[in-house]
Amino acid sequence: ETGVTQTPRHLVMGMTNKKSLKCEQHLGHNAMYWYKQSAKKPLELMFVYSLEERVENNSVPSRFSPECPNSSHLFLHLHTLQPEDSALYLCASSQARGAYEQYFGPGTRLTVT
Amino acid sequence: GDSVTQMEGPVTLSEEAFLTINCTYTATGYPSLFWYVQYPGEGLQLLLKATKADDKGSNKGFEATYRKETTSFHLEKGSVQVSDSAVYFCALSEWNRDDKIIFGKGTRLHILP
Repeated sequence: ETGVTQTPRHLVMGMTNKKSLKCEQHLGHNAMYWYKQSAKKPLELMFVYSLEERVENNSVPSRFSPECPNSSHLFLHLHTLQPEDSALYLCASSQARGAYEQYFGPGTRLTVT
Repeated sequence: GDSVTQMEGPVTLSEEAFLTINCTYTATGYPSLFWYVQYPGEGLQLLLKATKADDKGSNKGFEATYRKETTSFHLEKGSVQVSDSAVYFCALSEWNRDDKIIFGKGTRLHILP
């Protein structure tokens, strides 16, 4: 398997649920990213990890909690979400943190009811 | 700060038409420039890139030239196909300035058979 994979592809959750999104990259990259893509809004960078260390958190609410156990895996733990959190969540990786091109997964379509 | 501006869509063309999607940028240094494409239901894919002035990136019949004098990186294709229908994102990244990619808002392209 190659590239960047994300599971699940679709997720529906209530506001009181706890769920996790998973991302795995098979490219040998050292940096990983979470983005949020909402309809009619620009792509929003949420978190950046470099060598498993979080190097950026763009004022993301604490109901989103990332985890990077190793350079190949990235999780986004979700709890007590709001309906406005419904969006496509994209994971990406790059060779290292810097002006390298990023490789994206297919995304998880999240709906909060 | 750095920014990317691209033409608003949607852009609708007939098959075999010539395509131009305009992109201009502001940056304090010498950014790398990218075009990403997002097909329906998928994540973003790198389409092409250019890392210095006058470089031309090309892929799948698409081309874009890094024009420093006009701070532009317009995407062109001589003859579009229905399969080119997607959302196209212009992006930039500068070394040693936040080390992250800044995306434009995206331009949706519809190709009619």
